[in-house]
Amino acid sequence: DTEVTQTPKHLVMGMTNKKSLKCEQHMGHRAMYWYKQKAKKPPELMFVYSYEKLSINESVPSRFSPECPNSSLLNLHLHALQPEDSALYLCASSQEIDGAEQFFGPGTRLTVL
Amino acid sequence: GENVEQHPSTLSVQEGDSAVIKCTYSDSASNYFPWYKQELGKRPQLIIDIRSNVGEKKDQRIAVTLNKTAKHFSLHITETQPEDSAVYFCAASKAAGNKLTFGGGTRVLVKP
Repeated sequence: DTEVTQTPKHLVMGMTNKKSLKCEQHMGHRAMYWYKQKAKKPPELMFVYSYEKLSINESVPSRFSPECPNSSLLNLHLHALQPEDSALYLCASSQEIDGAEQFFGPGTRLTVL
Repeated sequence: GENVEQHPSTLSVQEGDSAVIKCTYSDSASNYFPWYKQELGKRPQLIIDIRSNVGEKKDQRIAVTLNKTAKHFSLHITETQPEDSAVYFCAASKAAGNKLTFGGGTRVLVKP
């Protein structure tokens, strides 16, 4: 398996809902990332995990809560989101955290009503 | 922190012509420069990358050049084809932390 997968593809949620995004890779990569991408903009880094430990948090609001239960899985828990949080959420992975190529998943398109 | 500027924001070329996209970065410690292609509704895909110990790298119709002194790098696409139409992002990072900072993107349209 040489791909990063993400579920769900689309998600619509209300501002009071709790939902989770899931990312999976079976390439043996030890670094995993969450990015947010608004329309016609570049991806913006949110979180970096290295060896299942949070390495970088780009001052993301606490309504976004990442979790790395094992080396193949990365979750992003969502709670009390705002309409401006609507975006494409991309997961990526790389062999290591030291300047290695990052491979992106297809993303979850999130709409917050 | 790192800042990456990318130009032009849109580029329209005739099929068969060449396309050049330029990026500048601010942090002289950056040493890894990937280029991603993103088609509409799809994931960003790595098309080529270059590290600071190399000045130029080529892969078929795609080449990247890096000028560390001037802190800029460029993507060259030769013999463009309609399937090259997409948004292209440059990025820069330092080895430690692997935090990619992206340029603003270039929308390339190849006209048949």
